Amino acid sequence: EAQVTQNPRYLITVTGKKLTVTCSQNMNHEYMSWYRQDPGLGLRQIYYSMNVEVTDKGDVPEGYKVSRKEKRNFPLILESPSPNQTSLYFCASSPGPAHEKLFFGSGTQLSVL
Amino acid sequence: QKEVEQNSGPLSVPEGAIASLNCTYSDRGSQSFFWYRQYSGKSPELIMSIYSNGDKEDGRFTAQLNKASQYVSLLIRDSQPSDSATYLCAVIMGSASKIIFGSGTRLSIRP
Repeated sequence: EAQVTQNPRYLITVTGKKLTVTCSQNMNHEYMSWYRQDPGLGLRQIYYSMNVEVTDKGDVPEGYKVSRKEKRNFPLILESPSPNQTSLYFCASSPGPAHEKLFFGSGTQLSVL
Repeated sequence: QKEVEQNSGPLSVPEGAIASLNCTYSDRGSQSFFWYRQYSGKSPELIMSIYSNGDKEDGRFTAQLNKASQYVSLLIRDSQPSDSATYLCAVIMGSASKIIFGSGTRLSIRP
């Protein structure tokens, strides 16, 4: 089954404790991206990647890191999480062109205490 | 001014009627427009894309684009309870370097 898989589904952590949210797709898509969704603000793009080893900042990249060492994986790293990063996070992939026709993962609800 | 604006709703429409959802955008050079549907607690899913002025129909859904007025709309004919969801408008800005989502319109279809 074609899908974008995120893990974990729920995560509660404390301020400053590094964490990684994984994202994997099995559709051989070149384009992958991360979003956060907050009430009243909609989806905001954090980072995106056009291909392996190519990443770019989206609208709200501060406090986040990403890497794209393999085509299928695009992890989101929070080196020192803060409470304002409490949010619902979505990973997405697309066959291209960039940003178009996104397939979303099931989401990760992150709470930073 | 937000780059992509939607009325947050909720928009309540009787079953069988036409639901009309609207979205305006600020970047006149934008070329690609999308509607995503998001059920409560679920991830967004693409339902329509439109790139040129006019109407594009897919089943009960019609997307309308007017670049001169900088708005894009989604019509849902013969609305069903299963259409109750939040609808997100997304626009790829003119430079194609970023995608901006509206905050979504919550649609409720009442029996």
